[in-house]
Amino acid sequence: SQKIEQNSEALNIQEGKTATLTCNYTNYSPAYLQWYRQDPGRGPVFLLLIRENEKEKRKERLKVTFDTTLKQSLFHITASQPADSATYLCALEGTGGFKTIFGAGTRLFVKA
Amino acid sequence: ETGVTQSPTHLIKTRGQQVTLRCSSQSGHNTVSWYQQALGQGPQFIFQYYREEENGRGNFPPRFSGLQFPNYSSELNVNALELDDSALYLCASRITEGLQETQYFGPGTRLLVL
Repeated sequence: SQKIEQNSEALNIQEGKTATLTCNYTNYSPAYLQWYRQDPGRGPVFLLLIRENEKEKRKERLKVTFDTTLKQSLFHITASQPADSATYLCALEGTGGFKTIFGAGTRLFVKA
Repeated sequence: ETGVTQSPTHLIKTRGQQVTLRCSSQSGHNTVSWYQQALGQGPQFIFQYYREEENGRGNFPPRFSGLQFPNYSSELNVNALELDDSALYLCASRITEGLQETQYFGPGTRLLVL
């Protein structure tokens, strides 16, 4: 069955460092992959989308890579800040635009 | 803010009861999806509606049903509630902007079934 794996353990890093989160998937050929941020008690907020034919995408301090051979995406936050502390969700979607499959998320803590 | 609102914010029901959750999205967002998120898990896709018709469903039983209305509001109905239905229920509206489809999530309704 389709499966998405994200680091289940929380990631603790020092302010100013680069945070790198991993998303691996199996038994799926997504048309695109998305990353969301979720704060406690709130809905996910869309951050970035990368298509299957794209290797890398950037937005301000965020960078996403997508390797369809390894079936892996890496999500980087450079110059991290305490305000970046949240849970980050990886999501896959096929063509047709429905049935988004989410990972369980990775909790990021950025210490001042 | 995403422009997607949900009501109520919190709800407590007992096993066997029925519940209706509501979502209102932005004008022009023709597609709405509903998700169930258990504590510590990612959102699980329940179903999606496009122009008032269901056009995709996840692995949820028929006691989970929905409606979408012409005014961009929608409902999630759950019959015969079970303890495992306790979760955060999220709705998300979609819009295509250029080549990109973006989902905008509401804040969710936290349902507790006792």
